[in-house]
Amino acid sequence: NAGVMQNPRHLVRRRGQEARLRCSPMKGHSHVYWYRQLPEEGLKFMVYLQKENIIDESGMPKERFSAEFPKEGPSILRIQQVVRGDSAAYFCASSSYEAFAGNTIYFGEGSWLTVV
Amino acid sequence: AQSVTQLGSHVSVSEGALVLLRCNYSSSVPPYLFWYVQYPNQGLQLLLKYTTGATLVKGINGFEAEFKKSETSFHLTKPSAHMSDAAEYFCAVSVGGTASKLTFGTGTRLQVTL
Repeated sequence: NAGVMQNPRHLVRRRGQEARLRCSPMKGHSHVYWYRQLPEEGLKFMVYLQKENIIDESGMPKERFSAEFPKEGPSILRIQQVVRGDSAAYFCASSSYEAFAGNTIYFGEGSWLTVV
Repeated sequence: AQSVTQLGSHVSVSEGALVLLRCNYSSSVPPYLFWYVQYPNQGLQLLLKYTTGATLVKGINGFEAEFKKSETSFHLTKPSAHMSDAAEYFCAVSVGGTASKLTFGTGTRLQVTL
């Protein structure tokens, strides 16, 4: 029973390039969440998606960042024209239904983005 | 808006000693509180959570935490540390009845020595 799968685990990009991070939720889960962990900081909520819908993107930077969760395939977090400040660990989580307090969201192992 | 403060970015204890990791929160509405553990190069694993009801919450691996509203605290404890407890621990809070939009503290790295 595979958990939340993220790839790549490590990604190096030059400034100005694009970064694509993929997340496959746990089997049977249709809700996906992306969090970012900047160096020396806690995880920060970015976006919450269901299949083909963005439910809450209040934590997403206004520019260069986008996320999708298509009907088929993994969720994708896309960062265009990366800058050094985008260097961080990006964590994906999933749940079987909306993560009310009685439910649990399951985190993946993270994708570490380094911008050089 | 809610926030979480974890006192002490690094805590070192001897094997067999008490583990105490501190977490204070700020929230204008009743919070839901969580402790997560992160082992090196792994994702976050839920240790325990407080939603409503009993204020002393027991979690996995012998950890427990007590919600103290008067002190706005949710400290994590374990009576006897084990080497395998060495990891990073994150306290988190959510409001509005949802666990999807968590606010995390900056984490406490626990070191266990012989």
